[in-house]
Amino acid sequence: SQKIEQNSEALNIQEGKTATLTCNYTNYSPAYLQWYRQDPGRGPVFLLLIRENEKEKRKERLKVTFDTTLKQSLFHITASQPADSATYLCALDRYALNFGKGTSLLVTP
Amino acid sequence: ETGVTQTPRHLVMGMTNKKSLKCEQHLGHNAMYWYKQSAKKPLELMFVYSLEERVENNSVPSRFSPECPNSSHLFLHLHTLQPEDSALYLCASSQDRGDDQPQHFGDGTRLSIL
Repeated sequence: SQKIEQNSEALNIQEGKTATLTCNYTNYSPAYLQWYRQDPGRGPVFLLLIRENEKEKRKERLKVTFDTTLKQSLFHITASQPADSATYLCALDRYALNFGKGTSLLVTP
Repeated sequence: ETGVTQTPRHLVMGMTNKKSLKCEQHLGHNAMYWYKQSAKKPLELMFVYSLEERVENNSVPSRFSPECPNSSHLFLHLHTLQPEDSALYLCASSQDRGDDQPQHFGDGTRLSIL
């Protein structure tokens, strides 16, 4: 069956460090992969989209990699700040978005 | 401002009630979506509309009935719900239907079934 797995445990890091979140998938052949941020009580907010033929995508302090051989995407936040604390969701599929459960990130001062 | 507005933000209803959730998008998008988000579970896609036509219905019980009267508005009509239907219901829109399209979400309606 199709699965999207993200770190189930919350990730706690210190301000200024790089946060790395993982998204693994099985039984998918996605053409695109997207990352979203969700704050408590709010809807998800789109961050980045990466295509299957792209190895890496950057936007300000964010970097996403996409390895279709490993069936994995890594999401990096460099120079993390307490305001980056949120749940981060990955989403993929060829025809309709399927979301992972998300990983909660807590950045402490 | 989100560009996608959902009302009400909170709703408490009994199992025999009938209510409707409303979603409005001001982005000029052609595709709209309903998702269900339950605790500890990933977002579940319920319905997809493209150019006001329903193009996907993911085995959702008939007690949930969507309506898309125009490209800016989407409704989810609820009747005879069950306690397990308590969840956050999210509406989203995208320029067109397709997995290369970023989706813009509203802040959801928190639904509680008594």
